[in-house]
Amino acid sequence: SQQGEEDPQALSIQEGENATMNCSYKTSINNLQWYRQNSGRGLVHLILIRSNEREKHSGRLRVTLDTSKKSSSLLITASRAADTASYFCASSGGSNYKLTFGKGTLLTVNP
Amino acid sequence: DAMVIQNPRYQVTQFGKPVTLSCSQTLNHNVMYWYQQKSSQAPKLLFHYYDKDFNNEADTPDNFQSRRPNTSFCFLDIRSPGLGDAAMYLCATSRSISYEQYFGPGTRLTVT
Repeated sequence: SQQGEEDPQALSIQEGENATMNCSYKTSINNLQWYRQNSGRGLVHLILIRSNEREKHSGRLRVTLDTSKKSSSLLITASRAADTASYFCASSGGSNYKLTFGKGTLLTVNP
Repeated sequence: DAMVIQNPRYQVTQFGKPVTLSCSQTLNHNVMYWYQQKSSQAPKLLFHYYDKDFNNEADTPDNFQSRRPNTSFCFLDIRSPGLGDAAMYLCATSRSISYEQYFGPGTRLTVT
């Protein structure tokens, strides 16, 4: 099974700054997804990028995918205190296309 | 309106006492998943249903079972909870495998 690994494990920034989180995976994928989880809550889907796509935008979110390096990045621009959460990447691939979640990055945005 | 509902939000059970967690969805999705998430860890898939087809993960303990009586509902049964089963249990749905998943708010299980 493939395992996504996020980097860094924790990130603390000031409101208004940009936040970049990286994710690596081990085997070929069908797509890669990013999720947000507020403390003690369920996960919320943010964005899905397919293996034949290189970049995708959604509001203040920008996701890139480099299949040659088996890596993806999530950029949050002009961060807000409300962006404070854990962010997980999840890769879909293999013979059964199930999602495999990474360990997550805990983002803290200080007001 | 909530699309994936989990009940209860908090459950306390005694060591060895069977417990059932429930999940319902209004999305009419084909796939329903159960994940276990422990503190500061990634969600771990326990099993999923694709329609009525049950798919168990190889490392899911026999203590965990699931039922899906219809499209809308899915249950997680823990036959004899141990202290190590204390965790957040997340239900999710998707139209198909590899599609985006919609999560419920989770049930936090405490075992005393």
